[in-house]
Amino acid sequence: DADVTQTPRNRITKTGKRIMLECSQTKGHDRMYWYRQDPGLGLRLIYYSFDVKDINKGEISDGYSVSRQAQAKFSLSLESAIPNQTALYFCATSDLQFGGTDTQYFGPGTRLTVL
Amino acid sequence: DAKTTQPTSMDCAEGRAANLPCNHSTISGNEYVYWYRQIHSQGPQYIIHGLKNNETNEMASLIITEDRKSSTLILPHATLRDTAVYYCIVILTHGQNFVFGPGTRLSVLP
Repeated sequence: DADVTQTPRNRITKTGKRIMLECSQTKGHDRMYWYRQDPGLGLRLIYYSFDVKDINKGEISDGYSVSRQAQAKFSLSLESAIPNQTALYFCATSDLQFGGTDTQYFGPGTRLTVL
Repeated sequence: DAKTTQPTSMDCAEGRAANLPCNHSTISGNEYVYWYRQIHSQGPQYIIHGLKNNETNEMASLIITEDRKSSTLILPHATLRDTAVYYCIVILTHGQNFVFGPGTRLSVLP
């Protein structure tokens, strides 16, 4: 979905390096999420944010940190990358709608390789 | 843990209807059923969601059983571009705990 963009789209780095993945959205949504996907598996939630002042850990937050710089921007950092963080990373946004539904819309993904 | 059970893979002939089942026997009264799909390694794409009633949109139909313990996603006229992994997800209205299991790999065959 072009409304959710991720940079970079591909990144190769070395063990121990600090890496930042960025997500921007033009959908005007308050809620943003970071997921990772390993080969052949479903997505797992890393962190999520319901507004600029709200940050919550997901299922697999160890080794990651996030920053919600503005409503439209949500960054994921790997302070010291390790090889088992090699994965596809997806950002998503959502907005709680009337009636309580909360459909998430995903970005195109970042393929990260840690050597 | 995922609250849903889906077949690992399915095949469908091009032009025919693809019926993808999902079991969610522990679903609670205020949980929605969502369907997404992921084509190759692209970002998951929202398809449809429902609570109790059957739903239809331009992409698909969602049939939920009366006891809400299972549902079926129907792609009425499958094309080769519908080849993807399809995820059935059960979530509360607040949605912060989207759990994507392994899904069903649908192969549309010419």
